[in-house]
Amino acid sequence: TQLLEQSPQFLSIQEGENLTVYCNSSSVFSSLQWYRQEPGEGPVLLVTVVTGGEVKKLKRLTFQFGDARKDSSLHITAAQPGDTGLYLCAGDSGGYQKVTFGIGTKLQVIP
Amino acid sequence: DAGVIQSPRHEVTEMGQEVTLRCKPISGHNSLFWYRQTMMRGLELLIYFNNNVPIDDSGMPEDRFSAKMPNASFSTLKIQPSEPRDSAVYFCASSRTELTGELFFGEGSRLTVL
Repeated sequence: TQLLEQSPQFLSIQEGENLTVYCNSSSVFSSLQWYRQEPGEGPVLLVTVVTGGEVKKLKRLTFQFGDARKDSSLHITAAQPGDTGLYLCAGDSGGYQKVTFGIGTKLQVIP
Repeated sequence: DAGVIQSPRHEVTEMGQEVTLRCKPISGHNSLFWYRQTMMRGLELLIYFNNNVPIDDSGMPEDRFSAKMPNASFSTLKIQPSEPRDSAVYFCASSRTELTGELFFGEGSRLTVL
């Protein structure tokens, strides 16, 4: 079983602060995804990273895939209350698309 | 475009009863996944289908759980008999590619077994 560990599990910050959350594994992934989930809804895909060392930006969110394709980070600049939610990373082992999720980082941005 | 549609959104039942959860994937998606989410264990993959064929059901907790996908537009997850420990949110997700894990999730079915 491939495990994805996310840290921190909980994070509460003030509006305007920067933050970084991490996703780590001992396994190599074909690709890695980040999702955001709000209460009462399903996870929504934010980004996919495929190449080791890849960096993708989505407005104030910066995603990085580790060189060895085993880990990833999500950095949020100037967090807004609308960023509040559960951030999940997921690893795709390729082949028949067995996708494994981390337990998530629950982010609260206080106005 | 319509997203993944799940029903029911909420289900409250008594221990021992049969529960059937339903999912309509996004049209044209060839992979379908059933996940269970709890606070303690997060999102757990129960089973996934590719082109209507079950590929891996190793995540199904026990024989009380079964899933079917009779055609490309419909899947069910059945629990019989249900137990209180089955209480969770069950998500269905579909995907349009065999190369990346870009999943589109439904809104989930919250199951409470008393």
